[in-house]
Amino acid sequence: DAGVTQSPTHLIKTRGQQVTLRCSPISGHKSVSWYQQVLGQGPQFIFQYYEKEERGRGNFPDRFSARQFPNYSSELNVNALLLGDSALYLCASSSPGKETQYFGPGTRLLVL
Amino acid sequence: QKEVEQDPGPLSVPEGAIVSLNCTYSNSAFQYFMWYRQYSRKGPELLMYTYSSGNKEDGRFTAQVDKSSKYISLFIRDSQPSDSATYLCAMRNTDKLIFGTGTRLQVFP
Repeated sequence: DAGVTQSPTHLIKTRGQQVTLRCSPISGHKSVSWYQQVLGQGPQFIFQYYEKEERGRGNFPDRFSARQFPNYSSELNVNALLLGDSALYLCASSSPGKETQYFGPGTRLLVL
Repeated sequence: QKEVEQDPGPLSVPEGAIVSLNCTYSNSAFQYFMWYRQYSRKGPELLMYTYSSGNKEDGRFTAQVDKSSKYISLFIRDSQPSDSATYLCAMRNTDKLIFGTGTRLQVFP
């Protein structure tokens, strides 16, 4: 089975721009979570979606938004990019009733 | 105080050594504990998952949880150069994972 996939792998943007990151979960997984990992730190929770509904939100500003589609894939949008948004953005999926989350390779975002 | 504390290392050991990686936590509501391995510029890979206090073994890896002390450990036996990576502890709080900062491990031949 294919694991969690994310696109693009790398992205360079300038301050003030907007970015959309994409994630496809493992087949059969209905929950998708997004995390931000700044260099030298552990991942920080941004959002969780289950069955297209937001189930949890971390301590991130409203510039961050996400959605989940009927096929359980997901997009993370970040508006008005700041230099501090430069990070590895990770998507994780999990199976209903299971506690473990499986991560994709991430999208590395650089904001100049 | 962070909810999860983890020594960032780096930890450098010779091949064949036993490695001990540790995390402490403050929230007694945490019930599920995980260890992830992350190679440079890659996503975290799930290594071990435990629920209750005690030990869980998988090959060269042993995960240990002590809920009374709010302390978890990962032991790696017969460490290999391919084990060189950052090891992240994670704890589940409702539907999200709370991660430590990660410990960077270097195993030299």
